[in-house]
Amino acid sequence: GAGVSQSPSNKVTEKGKDVELRCDPISGHTALYWYRQSLGQGLEFLIYFQGNSAPDKSGLPSDRFSAERTGGSVSTLTIQRTQQEDSAVYLCASSLDRQGGTFFGQGTRLTVV
Amino acid sequence: SQQGEEDPQALSIQEGENATMNCSYKTSINNLQWYRQNSGRGLVHLILIRSNEREKHSGRLRVTLDTSKKSSSLLITASRAADTASYFCATDGAQKLVFGQGTRLTINP
Repeated sequence: GAGVSQSPSNKVTEKGKDVELRCDPISGHTALYWYRQSLGQGLEFLIYFQGNSAPDKSGLPSDRFSAERTGGSVSTLTIQRTQQEDSAVYLCASSLDRQGGTFFGQGTRLTVV
Repeated sequence: SQQGEEDPQALSIQEGENATMNCSYKTSINNLQWYRQNSGRGLVHLILIRSNEREKHSGRLRVTLDTSKKSSSLLITASRAADTASYFCATDGAQKLVFGQGTRLTINP
C-alpha cells in the first residue's frame, strides 16, 4: 500500500478482555515499530522488528503485551487481560533502512472501560 | 538514555510569524527526523537530516543540525493556522527511534 495502515481505527473493550491491533507496513519496508501514546504525552517505544532478526522487545510494559510479525510484513500487537491504564493510541511505523525516513500509520485509539 | 528533548514545550505566535523549535539529544546519531502530529493521531514525517548534514530545507521548513552540540532546530517560516500541531524530533543512533515530549505550536489568526 501507499502508506502504513492500521486497524481498527478505534477500539473500545471491557477491562479483562484481550485485544489485537493490526499493522500493515509500507510494502518492502524491513523495519517495523510499535509505539503508544497516552493523552498529551510523548511516544513510548514498545517493540521493534528488523528483517529476520530477533525483535527488540525492551519496551513492552508487561507480559500481557506481545507482538508478532508474520512473513516479514503484517504485524499484530496483542494485549491480554486489558487494564484501564492500557488506554492509549497505539502507533505503528515502518522504514526501509537506517538511512531512510520512518513513516507512521494513523494509529489505533484503544479505550478500556 | 538517548532521548530527544524539545524546547519550548509550548509556543504561541501570530499567523505570519516564524516559529522555531529546538531539539537536544544525548548520544551520537545516524540521523534525526522531525514529525508533526495533529489531534493526537498519526505522525506526519516532515524531514530527515543525516548526521553529516548541517542544514536542510523543505518548503517553509528549515532544519539545522549541530552534532557538536547534539542539537537540532526546526524553523517554520510565514506560519499559518494549519501549522497548529505538536512537533516531535526523533533520533536514531542505535535501533529504535527515540522521541521527545514534543512542542505544542499554536498559530493565532
